[in-house]
Amino acid sequence: GQNIDQPTEMTATEGAIVQINCTYQTSGFNGLFWYQQHAGEAPTFLSYNVLDGLEEKGRFSSFLSRSKGYSYLLLKELQMKDSASYLCAVRDSNYQLIWGAGTKLIIKP
Amino acid sequence: IAGITQAPTSQILAAGRRMTLRCTQDMRHNAMYWYRQDLGLGLRLIHYSNTAGTTGKGEVPDGYSVSRANTDDFPLTLASAVPSQTSVYFCASSPTGTSGGAEQFFGPGTRLTVL
Repeated sequence: GQNIDQPTEMTATEGAIVQINCTYQTSGFNGLFWYQQHAGEAPTFLSYNVLDGLEEKGRFSSFLSRSKGYSYLLLKELQMKDSASYLCAVRDSNYQLIWGAGTKLIIKP
Repeated sequence: IAGITQAPTSQILAAGRRMTLRCTQDMRHNAMYWYRQDLGLGLRLIHYSNTAGTTGKGEVPDGYSVSRANTDDFPLTLASAVPSQTSVYFCASSPTGTSGGAEQFFGPGTRLTVL
């Protein structure tokens, strides 16, 4: 079966750095996405990785290792507005997105 | 303003009733999707359409049907609602369904409660 694993919840301090991990087992791989979802709102796109390595975009970075079936999202200089759920999704061999359940990130002052 | 709209925002429905959730996008995207999101579970794909005139089944299609008569609209119909269909439903679109790193853009969601 296909499976995406992420921690259910994480807590971090404003101004700090947090790393959210995602491991996956899917039938085929055509890219990995990270989305942010604030409570009661729709998911919004953060990043896309298809090759191994680190993609940096401002305060957010995403890393991929295809051989390990592993990705992480790194958030730097945390702000209160970063309190949200972070969703990892893998596009499988049928080009459909398989979604993790999401990691709820709580930022404390 | 370009984007995806969904209607209604929320709905309470009696079991056994028929219901259509509406989704319209004005970005001229080829691909559209319907997901449901339940607490503790990831988004699950119900149905999708890679281009106008074609549709496909996702992970959880039973009890739902879709049509794609044109590029902009992608309605989702529950023929006879059951309580297990209580969920938040998101419509999404992307420029293409089968290539590149094209992200999916999501509508604001419809919160459906079936009693």
